[in-house]
Amino acid sequence: DAKTTQPTSMDCAEGRAANLPCNHSTISGNEYVYWYRQIHSQGPQYIIHGLKNNETNEMASLIITEDRKSSTLILPHATLRDTAVYYCIVRVAWAAGNKLTFGGGTRVLVKP
Amino acid sequence: EPEVTQTPSHQVTQMGQEVILHCVPISNHLYFYWYRQILGQKVEFLVSFYNNEISEKSEIFDDQFSVERPDGSNFTLKIRSTKLEDSAMYFCASSDDSNEKLFFGSGTQLSVL
Repeated sequence: DAKTTQPTSMDCAEGRAANLPCNHSTISGNEYVYWYRQIHSQGPQYIIHGLKNNETNEMASLIITEDRKSSTLILPHATLRDTAVYYCIVRVAWAAGNKLTFGGGTRVLVKP
Repeated sequence: EPEVTQTPSHQVTQMGQEVILHCVPISNHLYFYWYRQILGQKVEFLVSFYNNEISEKSEIFDDQFSVERPDGSNFTLKIRSTKLEDSAMYFCASSDDSNEKLFFGSGTQLSVL
Protein backbone atom coordinates (compact mmCIF):
# COMPACT_ATOMS: atom_id res chain seq x y z
CA ASP A 1 0.00 0.00 0.00
CA ALA A 2 1.18 3.54 -0.75
CA LYS A 3 2.40 5.55 2.18
CA THR A 4 0.52 8.66 3.29
CA THR A 5 1.72 11.77 5.09
CA GLN A 6 -0.54 13.79 7.36
CA PRO A 7 0.03 16.61 9.83
CA THR A 8 0.33 15.32 13.37
CA SER A 9 -2.34 17.57 14.79
CA MET A 10 -4.61 20.49 14.09
CA ASP A 11 -7.19 22.56 15.90
CA CYS A 12 -10.49 23.69 14.51
CA ALA A 13 -13.18 26.05 15.78
CA GLU A 14 -16.60 24.60 16.36
CA GLY A 15 -18.95 25.41 13.50
CA ARG A 16 -16.15 26.08 11.07
CA ALA A 17 -14.97 23.86 8.26
CA ALA A 18 -12.06 21.56 9.03
CA ASN A 19 -9.72 20.86 6.11
CA LEU A 20 -7.46 17.85 6.66
CA PRO A 21 -4.68 17.39 4.11
CA CYS A 22 -3.04 14.15 3.08
CA ASN A 23 -0.14 13.46 0.73
CA HIS A 24 0.05 10.14 -1.11
CA SER A 25 2.50 10.82 -3.90
CA THR A 26 3.23 7.14 -4.61
CA ILE A 27 -0.39 6.08 -5.01
CA SER A 28 -1.05 3.45 -7.68
CA GLY A 29 -3.77 3.65 -10.30
CA ASN A 30 -5.94 1.02 -8.62
CA GLU A 31 -5.62 2.41 -5.08
CA TYR A 32 -8.43 4.33 -3.48
CA VAL A 33 -8.06 7.07 -0.90
CA TYR A 34 -9.87 6.22 2.33
CA TRP A 35 -10.53 8.28 5.41
CA TYR A 36 -11.33 6.77 8.80
CA ARG A 37 -11.44 8.34 12.20
CA GLN A 38 -11.02 7.05 15.73
CA ILE A 39 -12.74 8.76 18.59
CA HIS A 40 -10.91 8.18 21.86
CA SER A 41 -9.96 4.48 21.60
CA GLN A 42 -13.23 3.45 20.02
CA GLY A 43 -13.09 1.32 16.89
CA PRO A 44 -12.12 3.19 13.73
CA GLN A 45 -15.06 4.60 11.83
CA TYR A 46 -15.29 4.81 8.06
CA ILE A 47 -15.84 8.33 6.75
CA ILE A 48 -15.47 8.38 2.98
CA HIS A 49 -13.40 7.06 0.10
CA GLY A 50 -12.70 7.92 -3.52
CA LEU A 51 -10.61 7.01 -6.53
CA LYS A 52 -10.20 10.19 -8.54
CA ASN A 53 -13.46 12.11 -8.45
CA ASN A 54 -14.44 14.31 -5.55
CA GLU A 55 -16.88 12.63 -3.22
CA THR A 56 -19.41 13.87 -0.69
CA ASN A 57 -21.56 12.09 1.84
CA GLU A 58 -23.44 13.00 4.98
CA MET A 59 -20.25 13.14 7.02
CA ALA A 60 -17.68 14.85 4.82
CA SER A 61 -16.32 15.76 1.42
CA LEU A 62 -13.20 14.36 -0.19
CA ILE A 63 -11.26 16.43 -2.67
CA ILE A 64 -8.61 14.55 -4.67
CA THR A 65 -6.14 16.44 -6.82
CA GLU A 66 -6.06 15.70 -10.52
CA ASP A 67 -2.69 13.92 -10.27
CA ARG A 68 -4.05 11.98 -7.26
CA LYS A 69 -0.94 12.70 -5.24
CA SER A 70 -2.82 14.46 -2.49
CA SER A 71 -6.27 14.86 -1.06
CA THR A 72 -8.21 16.90 1.47
CA LEU A 73 -10.95 15.74 3.79
CA ILE A 74 -13.43 18.49 4.58
CA LEU A 75 -15.70 18.41 7.61
CA PRO A 76 -18.06 21.22 6.64
CA HIS A 77 -19.27 22.28 10.09
CA ALA A 78 -17.08 20.77 12.78
CA THR A 79 -18.70 19.90 16.09
CA LEU A 80 -17.11 18.94 19.40
CA ARG A 81 -17.99 15.32 18.61
CA ASP A 82 -15.67 15.47 15.59
CA THR A 83 -12.67 15.58 17.92
CA ALA A 84 -10.78 12.44 16.91
CA VAL A 85 -7.72 11.04 15.15
CA TYR A 86 -8.29 11.08 11.38
CA TYR A 87 -6.50 8.55 9.20
CA CYS A 88 -5.85 8.87 5.50
CA ILE A 89 -5.19 5.45 3.97
CA VAL A 90 -4.65 4.29 0.41
CA ARG A 91 -5.84 0.82 -0.41
CA VAL A 92 -6.92 -1.40 -3.24
CA ALA A 93 -10.61 -1.86 -2.55
CA TRP A 94 -11.50 -5.18 -4.05
CA ALA A 95 -8.90 -7.76 -3.24
CA ALA A 96 -9.72 -10.46 -0.76
CA GLY A 97 -7.92 -9.94 2.49
CA ASN A 98 -6.98 -6.45 1.58
CA LYS A 99 -6.08 -4.70 4.76
CA LEU A 100 -6.05 -1.13 5.98
CA THR A 101 -2.64 0.10 7.07
CA PHE A 102 -3.03 2.81 9.70
CA GLY A 103 -0.43 5.48 10.16
CA GLY A 104 -0.29 8.03 12.94
CA GLY A 105 -3.14 10.12 11.55
CA THR A 106 -4.01 13.71 12.35
CA ARG A 107 -5.26 14.45 15.83
CA VAL A 108 -8.05 16.99 15.39
CA LEU A 109 -9.24 19.00 18.34
CA VAL A 110 -12.46 20.94 17.82
CA LYS A 111 -12.63 23.85 20.22
CA PRO A 112 -15.74 25.75 21.33
CA GLU B 1 -27.65 0.75 11.61
CA PRO B 2 -26.13 -2.75 11.80
CA GLU B 3 -22.97 -3.00 13.83
CA VAL B 4 -20.12 -5.32 14.68
CA THR B 5 -20.45 -6.61 18.23
CA GLN B 6 -17.49 -7.64 20.35
CA THR B 7 -17.49 -9.42 23.68
CA PRO B 8 -16.27 -9.09 26.32
CA SER B 9 -15.48 -5.40 26.44
CA HIS B 10 -12.70 -6.09 28.95
CA GLN B 11 -10.75 -9.28 29.55
CA VAL B 12 -8.14 -9.77 32.22
CA THR B 13 -5.99 -12.88 32.12
CA GLN B 14 -2.82 -14.29 33.57
CA MET B 15 0.27 -14.68 31.43
CA GLY B 16 0.35 -18.08 29.78
CA GLN B 17 -3.42 -18.50 29.77
CA GLU B 18 -5.52 -18.94 26.67
CA VAL B 19 -8.05 -16.31 25.74
CA ILE B 20 -10.77 -16.22 23.14
CA LEU B 21 -12.13 -12.93 21.92
CA HIS B 22 -15.56 -12.98 20.38
CA CYS B 23 -17.01 -11.01 17.51
CA VAL B 24 -20.33 -11.04 15.73
CA PRO B 25 -19.82 -9.38 12.34
CA ILE B 26 -22.60 -7.69 10.42
CA SER B 27 -24.83 -10.46 9.15
CA ASN B 28 -24.39 -10.29 5.37
CA HIS B 29 -20.69 -9.52 5.46
CA LEU B 30 -18.13 -11.83 3.91
CA TYR B 31 -14.74 -10.37 4.88
CA PHE B 32 -13.56 -10.44 8.46
CA TYR B 33 -10.58 -8.87 10.17
CA TRP B 34 -8.80 -8.55 13.48
CA TYR B 35 -6.74 -5.51 14.39
CA ARG B 36 -5.13 -4.48 17.62
CA GLN B 37 -3.96 -1.25 19.20
CA ILE B 38 -1.45 -1.16 22.00
CA LEU B 39 -2.02 1.83 24.25
CA GLY B 40 -0.69 4.98 22.62
CA GLN B 41 0.33 3.22 19.43
CA LYS B 42 -1.05 2.75 15.92
CA VAL B 43 -3.86 0.44 14.95
CA GLU B 44 -2.16 -2.70 13.61
CA PHE B 45 -3.52 -5.31 11.23
CA LEU B 46 -3.46 -8.89 12.48
CA VAL B 47 -5.40 -11.09 10.09
CA SER B 48 -8.06 -11.16 7.40
CA PHE B 49 -10.46 -14.01 6.73
CA TYR B 50 -12.55 -14.76 3.69
CA ASN B 51 -14.30 -17.82 2.37
CA ASN B 52 -13.44 -19.77 5.52
CA GLU B 53 -9.74 -19.26 5.32
CA ILE B 54 -7.09 -16.75 6.22
CA SER B 55 -6.45 -14.36 3.34
CA GLU B 56 -3.56 -12.47 4.83
CA LYS B 57 -1.81 -12.21 8.16
CA SER B 58 0.79 -9.94 9.64
CA GLU B 59 4.05 -10.81 11.36
CA ILE B 60 2.29 -10.29 14.68
CA PHE B 61 -0.09 -13.15 13.92
CA ASP B 62 2.25 -16.00 14.81
CA ASP B 63 1.32 -19.55 15.73
CA GLN B 64 0.06 -18.41 19.12
CA PHE B 65 -2.86 -16.79 17.33
CA SER B 66 -5.72 -18.44 15.50
CA VAL B 67 -9.07 -17.40 14.10
CA GLU B 68 -12.22 -19.34 13.58
CA ARG B 69 -15.70 -18.88 12.26
CA PRO B 70 -17.39 -21.67 14.18
CA ASP B 71 -20.87 -20.97 12.90
CA GLY B 72 -22.60 -18.57 10.56
CA SER B 73 -22.44 -15.63 12.91
CA ASN B 74 -19.36 -15.65 15.13
CA PHE B 75 -15.74 -14.85 14.38
CA THR B 76 -13.24 -15.55 17.12
CA LEU B 77 -9.62 -14.74 17.84
CA LYS B 78 -7.76 -17.15 20.09
CA ILE B 79 -4.44 -16.45 21.77
CA ARG B 80 -3.05 -19.76 22.97
CA SER B 81 -0.57 -18.65 25.60
CA THR B 82 -0.82 -14.97 26.35
CA LYS B 83 2.21 -12.77 26.92
CA LEU B 84 2.43 -9.42 28.67
CA GLU B 85 2.95 -7.75 25.29
CA ASP B 86 -0.39 -9.06 24.05
CA SER B 87 -2.09 -6.47 26.25
CA ALA B 88 -3.96 -4.24 23.82
CA MET B 89 -7.35 -3.25 22.47
CA TYR B 90 -8.44 -5.80 19.92
CA PHE B 91 -10.82 -4.70 17.18
CA CYS B 92 -12.88 -6.93 14.96
CA ALA B 93 -14.04 -5.62 11.59
CA SER B 94 -16.12 -6.87 8.70
CA SER B 95 -17.07 -5.78 5.22
CA ASP B 96 -19.56 -6.83 2.60
CA ASP B 97 -18.94 -8.46 -0.75
CA SER B 98 -17.70 -5.22 -2.28
CA ASN B 99 -14.98 -5.10 0.41
CA GLU B 100 -15.06 -1.36 0.02
CA LYS B 101 -15.32 -0.24 3.59
CA LEU B 102 -14.67 -1.88 6.91
CA PHE B 103 -16.99 -1.65 9.88
CA PHE B 104 -15.24 -1.94 13.22
CA GLY B 105 -16.51 -3.12 16.56
CA SER B 106 -15.94 -1.20 19.76
CA GLY B 107 -13.12 -3.49 20.80
CA THR B 108 -12.06 -5.81 23.60
CA GLN B 109 -9.48 -4.45 26.01
CA LEU B 110 -7.19 -7.35 26.88
CA SER B 111 -4.98 -7.03 29.93
CA VAL B 112 -2.37 -9.72 30.53
CA LEU B 113 -0.98 -9.76 34.05
